[in-house]
Amino acid sequence: DIQMTQSPPSLSASLGDKVTITCQASQNINKYIAWYQQKPGKAPRLLIRYTSTLESGTPSRFSGSGSGRDYSFSISNVESEDIASYYCLQYDNLPTFGSGTKLEIK
Amino acid sequence: VQLVESGGGLVQPGKSLKLSCSASGFTFSSYGMHWIRQAPGKGLDWVAYISSSSGTVYADAVKGRFTISRDNAKNTLYLQLNSLKSEDTAIYYCARCSWEDYFDYWGQGVMVTVSS
Repeated sequence: DIQMTQSPPSLSASLGDKVTITCQASQNINKYIAWYQQKPGKAPRLLIRYTSTLESGTPSRFSGSGSGRDYSFSISNVESEDIASYYCLQYDNLPTFGSGTKLEIK
Repeated sequence: VQLVESGGGLVQPGKSLKLSCSASGFTFSSYGMHWIRQAPGKGLDWVAYISSSSGTVYADAVKGRFTISRDNAKNTLYLQLNSLKSEDTAIYYCARCSWEDYFDYWGQGVMVTVSS
């Protein structure tokens, strides 16, 4: 199985900051990575697929990049509604998630 | 697209439970479907997949104990949970498999608690 190492486990940011989350796969995943946002008590919501393609309705302040084993997800100009946990998912093989990053506002 | 899970609850270790996921708003028979779970306060774990032609794949942690199935006439996905363990305690989500194999739509989840 492909392992996804996600960091950091938590982030504290001020409104308007840019934050970045990384996921490293245990092998090349050919850009087949998606990013999800999960708010407390809610199901995950798809934000980005295939490394950098924003899903319909995803604000443009969200972005993704990467290739091979290394991928990143960024939020520019963090807003209060971005308080949530974020997960990467590789779907090149049997799906596996990163361990998650909890974003808090300072 | 709407996915609605049901069938969760409190069950004793070693017992069984069957979850359902009712689908609407898309042609259910044309899509693969997944079950994903989330233990309290923990991350997301993929559990099982069923293709549109009913081929199945399972995570090692549930292989031999859980069975995923579907009834296309009823637009319903199922997960039969047998020989339940305390570590199976989680919110169970059903999710649609996109054409590119990521999860594009999720249900609201159903809680399963395994405890004596």
